[in-house]
Amino acid sequence: SQQGEEDPQALSIQEGENATMNCSYKTSINNLQWYRQNSGRGLVHLILIRSNEREKHSGRLRVTLDTSKKSSSLLITASRAADTASYFCATDANDYKLSFGAGTTVTVRA
Amino acid sequence: NAGVTQTPKFRVLKTGQSMTLLCAQDMNHEYMYWYRQDPGMGLRLIHYSVGEGTTAKGEVPDGYNVSRLKKQNFLLGLESAAPSQTSVYFCASNKGTDGQETQYFGPGTRLLVL
Repeated sequence: SQQGEEDPQALSIQEGENATMNCSYKTSINNLQWYRQNSGRGLVHLILIRSNEREKHSGRLRVTLDTSKKSSSLLITASRAADTASYFCATDANDYKLSFGAGTTVTVRA
Repeated sequence: NAGVTQTPKFRVLKTGQSMTLLCAQDMNHEYMYWYRQDPGMGLRLIHYSVGEGTTAKGEVPDGYNVSRLKKQNFLLGLESAAPSQTSVYFCASNKGTDGQETQYFGPGTRLLVL
């Protein structure tokens, strides 16, 4: 069974707007990672946040982690057409195996 | 560096046929993984390897076998393909050490079983 669940399943925004997506998981984790997948391509790692961290930034990406609620959020600020992709959260329970959610499909309209 | 490569990119099989998917990485990673991705379900782990000569089952191993004879290669075999194995298969690798948990993915193999 999949550990993470993303919400919403799909998101459509205007270029320049912010996009927020959420991930909930079920069991204790060592770290949580976010990946991006462009249509028909492999996954690309975006950011990793450890269980003892609450917030992390990378460029236009901001990730939060609330281990008490078993949830994480990914914020993409000032979105661009190139951000159109599917975004997946993946949890690592300290065994180097990732459990993926079903993903959020983001469409950025020009 | 080429990173993680997968062969073939696309394949059509008939039910009952066999095939082997090849994954190769040039990053000297210890851990390698095979996933399948089906519409609306994200990625599910089929098998993985924590080093040369080792393999272990993941979440959905039935109908697949794997081998890791060389550190850089991880093979996924389908002995008797079934339509339910129609999917996109991704290989990934990582160092398998603390602080190096990021996985690096190949471009995928699209498999259609008729």
